[in-house]
Amino acid sequence: NAGVMQNPRHLVRRRGQEARLRCSPMKGHSHVYWYRQLPEEGLKFMVYLQKENIIDESGMPKERFSAEFPKEGPSILRIQQVVRGDSAAYFCASSPLGQGTDTQYFGPGTRLTVL
Amino acid sequence: DAKTTQPPSMDCAEGRAANLPCNHSTISGNEYVYWYRQIHSQGPQYIIHGLKNNETNEMASLIITEDRKSSTLILPHATLRDTAVYYCIVRAFNTGTASKLTFGTGTRLQVTL
Repeated sequence: NAGVMQNPRHLVRRRGQEARLRCSPMKGHSHVYWYRQLPEEGLKFMVYLQKENIIDESGMPKERFSAEFPKEGPSILRIQQVVRGDSAAYFCASSPLGQGTDTQYFGPGTRLTVL
Repeated sequence: DAKTTQPPSMDCAEGRAANLPCNHSTISGNEYVYWYRQIHSQGPQYIIHGLKNNETNEMASLIITEDRKSSTLILPHATLRDTAVYYCIVRAFNTGTASKLTFGTGTRLQVTL
């Protein structure tokens, strides 16, 4: 019973390039959440998606960041024109029901380094 | 979601019980207490959650005071692998829409020989 999968585990980009982070939820889960952890800081919520819908994007930066969760395939967090301040660990979590007490299970994260 | 307060760090000897406190004095009736931990930059790991009754699973026990203003996570026999940052999170139950997890600074538990 595979857990939440994220790839790549490590990603290096130069300033101005695009970063694409992928998240495959646990089997049977149709709700995905993205969190970011800046160096030496806590985890911050970014966005919550169901299949083909963005439910809550209150934590997403207004520019350069987007997320999708298509009907088929993994959820994608896309960062355009990356800057050094985007260097962080990006964690994806999934849950089965999407209701308030639904437990979220996290993946191992993608560590983005912007040179 | 209600705010939580945790001590920044704690030490525990291996084999002893680790008792991690959390204060959530402004908790509402529809808010649950969740505990996660993060071991050295890995993804957060779910431990346990509860509303008002004490809960126990294979990882830990959660003791919630009768007034629900505080709780304690108990790791009955701590091992070196339990060294991690432990997060206490209060999370509202909303029908129809999941609520995000709001992580604080947590308690850094160091288990020593």
